[in-house]
Amino acid sequence: AQTVTQSQPEMSVQEAETVTLSCTYDTSESNYYLFWYKQPPSRQMILVIRQEAYKQQNATENRFSVNFQKAAKSFSLKISDSQLGDTAMYFCAFMRNTGTASKLTFGTGTRLQVTL
Amino acid sequence: DGGITQSPKYLFRKEGQNVTLSCEQNLNHDAMYWYRQDPGQGLRLIYYSQIVNDFQKGDIAEGYSVSREKKESFPLTVTSAQKNPTAFYLCASSMGGFSYEQYFGPGTRLTVT
Repeated sequence: AQTVTQSQPEMSVQEAETVTLSCTYDTSESNYYLFWYKQPPSRQMILVIRQEAYKQQNATENRFSVNFQKAAKSFSLKISDSQLGDTAMYFCAFMRNTGTASKLTFGTGTRLQVTL
Repeated sequence: DGGITQSPKYLFRKEGQNVTLSCEQNLNHDAMYWYRQDPGQGLRLIYYSQIVNDFQKGDIAEGYSVSREKKESFPLTVTSAQKNPTAFYLCASSMGGFSYEQYFGPGTRLTVT
């Protein structure tokens, strides 16, 4: 079974600084997708970024980028120029191909607090 | 606006009662999903459906039931057999199949006393 581990329950960063959230996963599959979702206090889940396992190039979305290390099964999220609106829970998720659906397995989340 | 709606936002029930959570989407997505979120834990998959009139159990289906009579609707019933029903429930949808990301509704907070 796939597992996703986020070892940092809470993190704090000052506004305009850079922070990196860690995620590791365990799978025997070679074809999969990885995601970072953000859950602000409103509790709405928002997709931040996705990475295809077959792509070596790390995904980037504006201030958000990932460091994908397939051999190490690591998928960290870097947030540059942190803003107060980045305060949220961040979940790493693994998507496996079941043949009929795209099932997601989530980590337990990292609570990020951006301070002035 | 296209999106996923869940109603109500907060729901209160007495122990022993069944309760149905609503999930509607107008994104024309084929697949729909129900997740449960507990404090300190990530989301866990309850049920999912790839097409109308078909659905599969997720990782924690015991005590729950679903139906998929229409493409845009995927209601979840929390039965009295669910031992710890108090939680935050999230519905999601996707284009279906592998690789398509899931989009989430705003969630329903269910409290059973």
